[in-house]
Amino acid sequence: GAGVSQTPSNKVTEKGKYVELRCDPISGHTALYWYRQSLGQGPEFLIYFQGTGAADDSGLPNDRFFAVRPEGSVSTLKIQRTERGDSAVYLCASSLDRTSGANVLTFGAGSRLTVL
Amino acid sequence: GQQVMQIPQYQHVQEGEDFTTYCNSSTTLSNIQWYKQRPGGHPVFLIQLVKSGEVKKQKRLTFQFGEAKKNSSLHITATQTTDVGTYFCAGPYGGSQGNLIFGKGTKLSVKP
Repeated sequence: GAGVSQTPSNKVTEKGKYVELRCDPISGHTALYWYRQSLGQGPEFLIYFQGTGAADDSGLPNDRFFAVRPEGSVSTLKIQRTERGDSAVYLCASSLDRTSGANVLTFGAGSRLTVL
Repeated sequence: GQQVMQIPQYQHVQEGEDFTTYCNSSTTLSNIQWYKQRPGGHPVFLIQLVKSGEVKKQKRLTFQFGEAKKNSSLHITATQTTDVGTYFCAGPYGGSQGNLIFGKGTKLSVKP
């Protein structure tokens, strides 16, 4: 596609529920990133994929968070047993090729998650 | 841990005044990037600096990368209301260099 597409744009859920957030990167971009942004803060790194594999998942806060990218394109961020502290905007970004040394990111509009 | 510090956190200026934000890394960086996020929007890439001491200009914006590749600055000359937003610097960390760490940003407001 022309840009990075994220769905849903807004998600309100109750504490303890399971949530999936989807990211469709720019066509041809091999690297895909997930960030979390709380109000007044910078984007917080969660995980990035090079192709289908998670090349660095050191930012995932705990085992309730999991992300997949089975075919090297669309990615899904999964959050189990959501907590109020998970409320944030979840940003997805893609880049043409991280191995080129110029991992310039193109961000999507984000998915705003609110946990009641 | 690896950190990217930005100052100031907020800056309020009168339209036409200059603005500068500073970024400092706890470790040497292979490159540094700057992004702008408009209110209600998402971060948008502005520029990447790679070489020690590099200076790049985009119209009224001047970006510098320090000699030691641990600090950077963004200077805006004669601010306009269209410059409003939060400016983030970001640098690659981790063994894979794919972990792009963002600073907390400098939020710029411009009074007409």
